Amino acid sequence: DVKVTQSSRYLVKRTGEKVFLECVQDMDHENMFWYRQDPGLGLRLIYFSYDVKMKEKGDIPEGYSVSREKKERFSLILESASTNQTSMYLCASSFVLAVTGRGEKLFFGSGTQLSVL
Amino acid sequence: QKEVEQDPGPLSVPEGAIVSLNCTYSNSAFQYFMWYRQYSRKGPELLMYTYSSGNKEDGRFTAQVDKSSKYISLFIRDSQPSDSATYLCAMGDRNNRLAFGKGNQVVVIP
Repeated sequence: DVKVTQSSRYLVKRTGEKVFLECVQDMDHENMFWYRQDPGLGLRLIYFSYDVKMKEKGDIPEGYSVSREKKERFSLILESASTNQTSMYLCASSFVLAVTGRGEKLFFGSGTQLSVL
Repeated sequence: QKEVEQDPGPLSVPEGAIVSLNCTYSNSAFQYFMWYRQYSRKGPELLMYTYSSGNKEDGRFTAQVDKSSKYISLFIRDSQPSDSATYLCAMGDRNNRLAFGKGNQVVVIP
């Protein structure tokens, strides 16, 4: 089974702190993603990466950065945490199916519930 | 109009009932469709995946896609308390850009 592991289940930080969220996948997937999930807003894509050292902005990248130095690891960085970044953060990985390049079956981690006080 | 519309519920049903969940979408570029199940305080897990119109069955779960009406459904037969979760629809286009519904909370009452 695919395993996507997020380093922390719960995290409490103070406004202005630099926050690192780590994610590791064990299935040699090329693609990795960071989402945040908020009640009433659903899943929103922050950043994604299709390869090592490559990154693409998602729908809400402001206030975040990412790092992918190794294929299996994708880090989300909050440069200066703010209260509006209190959320559930979900990491996901995927492969692209076959020659057609069709489909991305995302496999999610268990999430990190971040509270910024 | 949002790209993907999903009624958030919650939906409460007695054990053994059929659960019916729906999503509508506006972007005709979507080519493949998924349903994810998310238990409380967990990440979503892939439940069903399909890329063609029609029905796809997996045990008690049936995914239905109607591309002409831009409408997808998930049916759960003989619902169990363990089916209590939030169900998210998701769809992707040829560039593998994904869009998610906001999720529909289901409660199966024993």
